[in-house]
This record gives sequence, C-alpha cells and structure tokens, in this order.
Amino acid sequence: DTAVSQTPKYLVTQMGNDKSIKCEQNLGHDTMYWYKQDSKKFLKIMFSYNNKELIINETVPNRFSPKSPDKAHLNLHINSLELGDSAVYFCASSQVASMKTQYFGPGTRLLVL
Amino acid sequence: GNSVTQMEGPVTLSEEAFLTINCTYTATGYPSLFWYVQYPGEGLQLLLKATKADDKGSNKGFEATYRKETTSFHLEKGSVQVSDSAVYFCALSDLAGNQFYFGTGTSLTVIP
Repeated sequence: DTAVSQTPKYLVTQMGNDKSIKCEQNLGHDTMYWYKQDSKKFLKIMFSYNNKELIINETVPNRFSPKSPDKAHLNLHINSLELGDSAVYFCASSQVASMKTQYFGPGTRLLVL
Repeated sequence: GNSVTQMEGPVTLSEEAFLTINCTYTATGYPSLFWYVQYPGEGLQLLLKATKADDKGSNKGFEATYRKETTSFHLEKGSVQVSDSAVYFCALSDLAGNQFYFGTGTSLTVIP
C-alpha cells in the first residue's frame, strides 16, 4: 500500500551511460515532482507535472528528461551521466485539495563512477 | 521571490532536552508552511503543517506556530528522544500550490 514508490532504490553506473528512474503514486494526486538532494542534504526541485503537463522546469541540464505517461507516473531519464549527477533523487506528489502537502517517495540513490 | 531560511546545524542535544529549530520565510500573500523530517536513509515525511496565520501545527510532540508578524515557523519539542535524530526541513508552498520552497535542512542528533 505504498503511496509513492520509486525504482530502483540504488543505481550504480558508469559515466556516459543512460539510465531511468521510475516513480508511481497511488494517491490519486494530479501533480508530481522530481527533486535532487545533494550530499549536504540540500533539496532542489527539478521538474513538476500537473495532469501530465510540465509546469515547472528548473534550470537542469537537458540531459535530464521527465516523462509522464499518465497522472500516476512520472519517470526521469538521464542521458550521458556525469560524476556530478551522483545524488539522491526523490519523487513526490500532491493534490491541491490536500492543501498542497507533498508526499515523497523513498528516494533513488544514484552513484556515477 | 519566495524563500525559506532555517538555522544551520548540526544540532546535538541530550535526551529530554528542549528543541528549537528556527525557520523564517519570505513570501507574497499567505503561503502554507510545513515541517518535514527525513530519517537516515529514508525519504521526507510530513511532520506538521499550518495554513494560515496563528495556526499551530503539532504532531509527535513537535509544535510550530505560523507567525505572520515575524514571518516565522519555528519548530519546538519539549523533550527530545534518541529516535528524533533526523534532518528537519522547513518549507512553504506558494499560493498556486505548484511549487515548494525548502530550507537547507537542520541535522539533529540526540544522544542518550
């Protein structure tokens, strides 16, 4: 009965590879987000989708591309991985009716070697 | 623009000590305010929230009051436990609810 789930939980890969992280929410929310958390725990929003439409696209390299096949899913594809992409990536979702509270997934720990 | 400033850590307290983590914000209008907690190796969990001035959010012995006059939302707990060791994030939600603004996080370690 996990509310927001992400796969994989851990991802170790080589520089230059392409990888995807998947996110699913079963809360019926209409807005989903991707955040990046660096080693100092600083959280930075990357993207936000509302009803499958991109509404926030912060300054991130265009190697990062979100894809939302439906309201319940928001996947993150990363091309040509770099060392600096190593971080924890969190997916989150919210519904306006719940006073915009965001519910977070458990995170995907990405390590680029 | 909107922003959140919270006190820097790390904070180390003995069990049963009183905790305050300061948080101030800058925003237009009346944002909603939140405290999230991140336990080691986990995602963020909502701890408490307040949606209008003078509201008090509370949960698990933690409290925070939305103070519009001082633009603050300080987190307090009267007696911390070892299990409270975590990173605490203050956040605000803009009026449209499309974006959250998180503080930098405050790491708390409670020692027996």
